[in-house]
Amino acid sequence: GIQVEQSPPDLILQEGANSTLRCNFSDSVNNLQWFHQNPWGQLINLFYIPSGTKQNGRLSATTVATERYSLLYISSSQTTDSGVYFCAVVQETSGSRLTFGEGTQLTVNP
Amino acid sequence: DAGITQSPRYKITETGRQVTLMCHQTWSHSYMFWYRQDLGHGLRLIYYSAAADITDKGEVPDGYVVSRSKTENFPLTLESATRSQTSVYFCATRGGSSYNSPLHFGNGTRLTVT
Repeated sequence: GIQVEQSPPDLILQEGANSTLRCNFSDSVNNLQWFHQNPWGQLINLFYIPSGTKQNGRLSATTVATERYSLLYISSSQTTDSGVYFCAVVQETSGSRLTFGEGTQLTVNP
Repeated sequence: DAGITQSPRYKITETGRQVTLMCHQTWSHSYMFWYRQDLGHGLRLIYYSAAADITDKGEVPDGYVVSRSKTENFPLTLESATRSQTSVYFCATRGGSSYNSPLHFGNGTRLTVT
């Protein structure tokens, strides 16, 4: 099946810093989503971005489907950005199954 | 609009017991999913359903049973709980008839099997 790799696995930032999280996938995909799992365990849908670029406040994401990667940018990070960021993909051949990466653990210190 | 409601939020049960985790959605989304999240394994798909009375296995279905008699409910049953099933369980939904729409998660159920 498709492999989804996220990097870095862990990231520690000072408040106000910018960061880039990466998601590589091993085959073509039809759907890609970024999620944030907050310290309380909730999974929050950040972006649905099978291709192109989207922005939502301090967060933006870019997916280059032809090169099989997606990037999540966090600018002016805040302590509330802490948590785990997951990338998940769907292939048409797999039906409706989302395959998740292992996540990036982000800690933003005050 | 509650969206997706999972119950209970926390559950402790003993090995060998049957336990059912509930998932209810108010969106009338076609697709519903059950994932488990374990340290070192990320999120893995247990079962999913494309519509009422249609279910299919995911990556890790063994030891679990699902049913979907109504569009809004998708219960997950552990027929004889084992310690390896201690995990956080997430229900998710997706609207539309294909993969081209986003997935939304419930708040999860933390299950401990002693």
